[in-house]
Amino acid sequence: AQSVSQHNHHVILSEAASLELGCNYSYGGTVNLFWYVQYPGQHLQLLLKYFSGDPLVKGIKGFEAEFIKSKFSFNLRKPSVQWSDTAEYFCAVSAPRLYSGAGSYQLTFGKGTKLSVIP
Amino acid sequence: DAGVTQSPTHLIKTRGQQVTLRCSPKSGHDTVSWYQQALGQGPQFIFQYYEEEERQRGNFPDRFSGHQFPNYSSELNVNALLLGDSALYLCASSWAGMYNEQFFGPGTRLTVL
Repeated sequence: AQSVSQHNHHVILSEAASLELGCNYSYGGTVNLFWYVQYPGQHLQLLLKYFSGDPLVKGIKGFEAEFIKSKFSFNLRKPSVQWSDTAEYFCAVSAPRLYSGAGSYQLTFGKGTKLSVIP
Repeated sequence: DAGVTQSPTHLIKTRGQQVTLRCSPKSGHDTVSWYQQALGQGPQFIFQYYEEEERQRGNFPDRFSGHQFPNYSSELNVNALLLGDSALYLCASSWAGMYNEQFFGPGTRLTVL
């Protein structure tokens, strides 16, 4: 079974600082990778996703992530954070091999990283 | 266009009771997945419904069951509640297919006393 590790439980940054959140997964086969964000009082929403192709993926709000297959990693980055980026961030993985051909994929999430940005 | 909606918002039950949570998918979506998010943890996959059948199941006991209706809405039922079932229960909907985004609802907060 696949698993996801997010190394940082809580990250505190000042505005304009650069952000990198770590995500490592454990699975021997092909994976699809996701970052979700949950802003205070809001639903989980998709930030970006990787299925195949260019390992550097750009998402919404200036976020990007890089898939490094040899390191089983999919780290999230942003060059300059804003106070509005304060949220909880979840890395998730799905395994295409487990897709039954009916319905959708199942996601395996990490425990999340809480990001606090100080104005 | 309404997104994914869930009811109720909050629920308090006692051990041994049974509970039913409801989910209405985003308009047009035909696939519903349920996740359990315990405090301080990421969401954990419970099961998924498509064409009114359970298609995939995570590592949850048979006390967790569900249903999907012809209008694609779904219910999650939990029998013989345990203290450990206290969590936020999330519903996600999507169009069927391996590459379609799953949209999450606000969740139902279940507290078991």
